[in-house]
Amino acid sequence: SQELEQSPQSLIVQEGKNLTINCTSSKTLYGLYWYKQKYGEGLIFLMMLQKGGEEKSHEKITAKLDEKKQQSSLHITASQPSHAGIYLCGAAARQGAQKLVFGQGTRLTINP
Amino acid sequence: NAGVTQTPKFQVLKTGQSMTLQCAQDMNHEYMSWYRQDPGMGLRLIHYSVGAGITDQGEVPNGYNVSRSTTEDFPLRLLSAAPSQTSVYFCATRRSSGGAADTQYFGPGTRLTVL
Repeated sequence: SQELEQSPQSLIVQEGKNLTINCTSSKTLYGLYWYKQKYGEGLIFLMMLQKGGEEKSHEKITAKLDEKKQQSSLHITASQPSHAGIYLCGAAARQGAQKLVFGQGTRLTINP
Repeated sequence: NAGVTQTPKFQVLKTGQSMTLQCAQDMNHEYMSWYRQDPGMGLRLIHYSVGAGITDQGEVPNGYNVSRSTTEDFPLRLLSAAPSQTSVYFCATRRSSGGAADTQYFGPGTRLTVL
């Protein structure tokens, strides 16, 4: 079965610094999702990537899916306290798959 | 348009009690699912449904039952609660049942504690 490994598991950065979170799959990715979860709340959709080499940006967050479609990275530029939370990647194991699998999450803390 | 709603937000049960977690969506989405979230484990799929009258098991279905009598509702039943079912439960929906190309939307979650 497909597994997603996120690294790092937790991250503490100074406000204003850049950071990167990685999501590595044991198999080819079809439809890679990034979600953000505020502590004690639900998941907010950030971005979805499907094609190898694809890159999407929203405000100061950029996500990429590598050419081989087995790893995705989430990069935050000039981090702010509002970026704090848990970031999760989710993916489908195959084209047309009903089920998504998720990584274990990365807990991001932003120090002022 | 409320999106995905879940009730209750918090619940405390004693071992052996039963209860139903409610999930409702007003987006006319075909696909609905239930996940549980535990520390260090990420999200794990419990059950899912690709349409009214159709349900299937996910990764961790034991101890849970579901039904899908309408497009809008997808309740999750715990028949005899156990401490191992202490978790945060999320309902998620997707427009199409035809694969993961559509965005999946999550409800706010139900925090369940079983004593």
